[in-house]
Amino acid sequence: ETGVTQTPRHLVMGMTNKKSLKCEQHLGHNAMYWYKQSAKKPLELMFVYNFKEQTENNSVPSRFSPECPNSSHLFLHLHTLQPEDSALYLCASSHTDVNLGNYGYTFGSGTRLTVV
Amino acid sequence: GNSVTQMEGPVTLSEEAFLTINCTYTATGYPSLFWYVQYPGEGLQLLLKATKADDKGSNKGFEATYRKETTSFHLEKGSVQVSDSAVYFCALSDSPQNTPLVFGKGTRLSVIA
Repeated sequence: ETGVTQTPRHLVMGMTNKKSLKCEQHLGHNAMYWYKQSAKKPLELMFVYNFKEQTENNSVPSRFSPECPNSSHLFLHLHTLQPEDSALYLCASSHTDVNLGNYGYTFGSGTRLTVV
Repeated sequence: GNSVTQMEGPVTLSEEAFLTINCTYTATGYPSLFWYVQYPGEGLQLLLKATKADDKGSNKGFEATYRKETTSFHLEKGSVQVSDSAVYFCALSDSPQNTPLVFGKGTRLSVIA
């Protein structure tokens, strides 16, 4: 257990379904992230939240919709996905200090998503 | 922009062999450098880090030294074990901007008994 919990661990969904991925951390971190990990491709940063405010959206299609209701929880809402969206979705959190920099990320175990 | 380049895998070694995984970076500021490890079926775990030039990060027998002159952060271990089989990711975060981590493509290591 890393301190970052992702649910579900596995998800199979049809292209017309709507589902949500959940991420939770109680490490006192002030930033949370969604990454996509596809086979044979680099980790792709999707979204960044600092103090619950979205600070980065790396040209992610609108069928992915993030939500950060508080500094401990992060969601990724999914709708009308495509088969190429099948991947491991990783959540991470970190504590960043404007003077001291980035302390490194704590990752969850990921949600393995399969779109059929 | 910031980027990380690490050696292509997969790397296959016999138990107790010496390991080096090369990592070089490009950054506009003064980055912090990290190595993460991903075991099968799990997320990434921080292995070690270094925040300034000439710092050496170490953990579980792994070491990496922040070399500003060669913009490198190579990962080394003197004697690998089967349990070290995993994918290793080099990453950087530029400061003082505290940019999100940029990862390399990962290097898969397989250690055989």
